[in-house]
Amino acid sequence: DGGITQSPKYLFRKEGQNVTLSCEQNLNHDAMYWYRQDPGQGLRLIYYSQIVNDFQKGDIAEGYSVSREKKESFPLTVTSAQKNPTAFYLCASSIATGAASPLHFGNGTRLTVT
Amino acid sequence: KQEVTQIPAALSVPEGENLVLNCSFTDSAIYNLQWFRQDPGKGLTSLLLIQSSQREQTSGRLNASLDKSSGRSTLYIAASQPGDSATYLCAVIDNNAGNMLTFGGGTRLMVKP
Repeated sequence: DGGITQSPKYLFRKEGQNVTLSCEQNLNHDAMYWYRQDPGQGLRLIYYSQIVNDFQKGDIAEGYSVSREKKESFPLTVTSAQKNPTAFYLCASSIATGAASPLHFGNGTRLTVT
Repeated sequence: KQEVTQIPAALSVPEGENLVLNCSFTDSAIYNLQWFRQDPGKGLTSLLLIQSSQREQTSGRLNASLDKSSGRSTLYIAASQPGDSATYLCAVIDNNAGNMLTFGGGTRLMVKP
C-alpha cells in the first residue's frame, strides 16, 4: 500500500527541547516537502528536497532543520529556536519538482509545545 | 509575492444546495491551480488541478473554473451532501517556481442533513 507515513500523530514537548518529526514514503518519489499549518491558515512551506542529500529552505525555515539521507525519509527537527512551534505539520512528496506533479500528503503530526 | 485568498472562511448550508467556493490570487502568472480537500486532523487530498491554459475541470459533482486574467477560481459543488463537510483549500504554482505551492487559508464547509 503506497503512501506517506507521518509519526507520531500527536507530539507533546516542553519548551526548549528539540523534537524530530518523522516522514517516510514508499512511492519512490524524488521530491519531499514539509509544510506547517496554523488554525484558519493555509499551508506554509518550511523545507523541501528535490533529491537525496539536497534540500532547500522554504518560506519559514527559521528554527527548523531537515536531512535527506535516504530517498524514503525526510525528517524535520523543530529546534528550540523556533519561537512558535505549536502547529500541525504536514509532509508531502511528488515525483519531482519542476514538473507540477501532484503532491501526496501524509496525515500530519500535531505538535504541542508548552 | 503571490498571495492567495479564499472567501468565505466558513460556510454552512443545508444538504442538497449547490454552492460556490471562491479563490483569488494576486499574480496571474501561474502554472496551475489546484483544489484540495482536508478532513479534520488529516492531510490534504487533491480534488482538481487546472492548468493555466485550461478554463475548467470537472470531477463528479465538482467543477472548478479558472479565470487567470482576473486572478480568480471557483469550486462549484452540486447537490451538496453531509459527506462534503471539510475544509477546501486552493493553491497555485507560479511560473518558474518549480513545484512550490502557495496556499489560501481555506473555506471550512459544513453541510447539514
